[in-house]
Amino acid sequence: DAGVIQSPRHEVTEMGQEVTLRCKPISGHNSLFWYRQTMMRGLELLIYFNNNVPIDDSGMPEDRFSAKMPNASFSTLKIQPSEPRDSAVYFCASSDFSQGLAGGSTAEQFFGPGTRLTVL
Amino acid sequence: QKEVEQDPGPLSVPEGAIVSLNCTYSNSAFQYFMWYRQYSRKGPELLMYTYSSGNKEDGRFTAQVDKSSKYISLFIRDSQPSDSATYLCAMKSGGSYIPTFGRGTSLIVHP
Repeated sequence: DAGVIQSPRHEVTEMGQEVTLRCKPISGHNSLFWYRQTMMRGLELLIYFNNNVPIDDSGMPEDRFSAKMPNASFSTLKIQPSEPRDSAVYFCASSDFSQGLAGGSTAEQFFGPGTRLTVL
Repeated sequence: QKEVEQDPGPLSVPEGAIVSLNCTYSNSAFQYFMWYRQYSRKGPELLMYTYSSGNKEDGRFTAQVDKSSKYISLFIRDSQPSDSATYLCAMKSGGSYIPTFGRGTSLIVHP
């Protein structure tokens, strides 16, 4: 398997522009996560989906952020309009909740390579 | 106070040294404890996990959990330059699928 695929790997845009980040999870995984990583705040969970349904979006910073998962093999994270404080590395991760790390409710998250976003 | 505290470092050690990386936490419901390793410009990858208290060893790596002190550690023996990375602790309760991550500690092992 190719692992989690994210595109683009780098994005530089100007304030006010729309940004769309894309993710293809590992085939067969039923859960998908979007994270944001910065030096100041570390890794923050933005939203996660289970079986293509958004379960918890409490980490989405504000209405400028939206995420969709139209099918099991594709998800997008959109920022509109973008602001300089959105500059960060955005990671997508997928997991299979039916496979436990310890036979229980744990499941390893597999991360993509990330998208480095710079908003000028 | 964050649920999981981790010193961001950087921690710089000579090759061959024993490295100790640590996290403290406040949520007594946490039962699963994980260490992720993140190389520069890559995504995190699971290195080790431990359920509840105790030690777990995997080659040069040992994960240790002390639930009474709410303190977890990752020890790296005979550290190598290839161990240079950011190490993130993560933990979760038994009833949740979502881990809480520490900020990560940057480790530099110099030859």
